[in-house]
Amino acid sequence: EDQVTQSPEALRLQEGESSSLNCSYTVSGLRGLFWYRQDPGKGPEFLFTLYSAGEEKEKERLKATLTKKESFLHITAPKPEDSATYLCAVQATNNNDMRFGAGTRLTVKP
Amino acid sequence: NAGVTQTPKFQVLKTGQSMTLQCAQDMNHNSMYWYRQDPGMGLRLIYYSASEGTTDKGEVPNGYNVSRLNKREFSLRLESAAPSQTSVYFCASSHIAREQYFGPGTRLTVT
Repeated sequence: EDQVTQSPEALRLQEGESSSLNCSYTVSGLRGLFWYRQDPGKGPEFLFTLYSAGEEKEKERLKATLTKKESFLHITAPKPEDSATYLCAVQATNNNDMRFGAGTRLTVKP
Repeated sequence: NAGVTQTPKFQVLKTGQSMTLQCAQDMNHNSMYWYRQDPGMGLRLIYYSASEGTTDKGEVPNGYNVSRLNKREFSLRLESAAPSQTSVYFCASSHIAREQYFGPGTRLTVT
């Protein structure tokens, strides 16, 4: 069965303090790994898709990387507006649905 | 471009009542999805529709039914609501096997 585990559950950073969020996955065959951002009371917002090990994507202060067993979301010099829950999800090659992790709740203090 | 819209935004039901959650997308996506989100459990797929005219069960389909009314609209029905169905419900859409775009959610409380 496909599984996604995110760590840590919660992370508190000072503004400017870089860190990484982890997403470990097991899937029969990976079609894609997705990162989303979710603000309180809103729906998830798409950030990145990674398709193969070694791939990297960047957007502003965020950089996502992928290996055969896990993905990292690196946050460089975060700002308070980066505070949100970050969700990871995987899609397997043998079906059309997506399996989500429970998320990492990031708080960035000024 | 409204993206994915959901109605209602909030709903309170009594145990045993029925209701339908509505979802519409204007991005010409083939696939549509219904999820529920509970604290500490992440998003769990209830049902999805890979294309117009097809629907499939997800991880937690019991107690729910869906209808893909046309390419734009995908509804979720609770026939006899139970307190265990108290949750936040999200609809999403995508091109097949691509990133999903989510609506703003419906917050449902069953008493």
